[in-house]
Amino acid sequence: QKEVEQNSGPLSVPEGAIASLNCTYSDRVSQSFFWYRQYSGKSPELIMSIYSNGDKEDGRFTAQLNKASQYVSLLIRDSQPSDSATYLCAVNRVTGGGNKLTFGTGTQLKVEL
Amino acid sequence: SQTIHQWPATLVQPVGSPLSLECTVEGTSNPNLYWYRQAAGRGLQLLFYSIGIDQISSEVPQNLSASRPQDRQFILSSKKLLLSDSGFYLCAWSTSGTVDQPQHFGDGTRLSIL
Repeated sequence: QKEVEQNSGPLSVPEGAIASLNCTYSDRVSQSFFWYRQYSGKSPELIMSIYSNGDKEDGRFTAQLNKASQYVSLLIRDSQPSDSATYLCAVNRVTGGGNKLTFGTGTQLKVEL
Repeated sequence: SQTIHQWPATLVQPVGSPLSLECTVEGTSNPNLYWYRQAAGRGLQLLFYSIGIDQISSEVPQNLSASRPQDRQFILSSKKLLLSDSGFYLCAWSTSGTVDQPQHFGDGTRLSIL
């Protein structure tokens, strides 16, 4: 089992729709969860952090965390073509010391006109 | 505000040649620093991380090495590059002292080995 799993996609949604991106993780004691957006050929950019169960909203983005199910998701409302990118889920590693993250391989999102 | 600089942006090197990639962070003190590699179509692989000057931990065995000669400078090196060293190299930083902080990435170096 991978430590952080994401569906590679591509996930295609029409412009204006809600895009739902999902991520599961294996380390039950993880406490910090992050979503990064990576445009093709560019470096990852942090878009959301979430630490507690429930929803966290920031503009058109909502992160959802369910620690009991070891599941974190990202909703993008009113999707725009500029949202087309690969979205990486990252989970903090508790073991091994330091502030290290384990990244999923990402879900490619395509927002179509 | 904090910024991270990474250079060069692209690099083409022959097999067997040496490598030196540099990363510097501004606007923060004693950051945690990281080197990642992202192969084409693959996820981010952590190569090295550092919690302080001359304190480097390696995540995977390889022919690369890292050094941190100053608080906000992180260098990735190799004495002899292999074809398998091609990829997108990313430097990142995070705030030290807590395990809850996200990492922030530089613009990356795209390395091609011929």
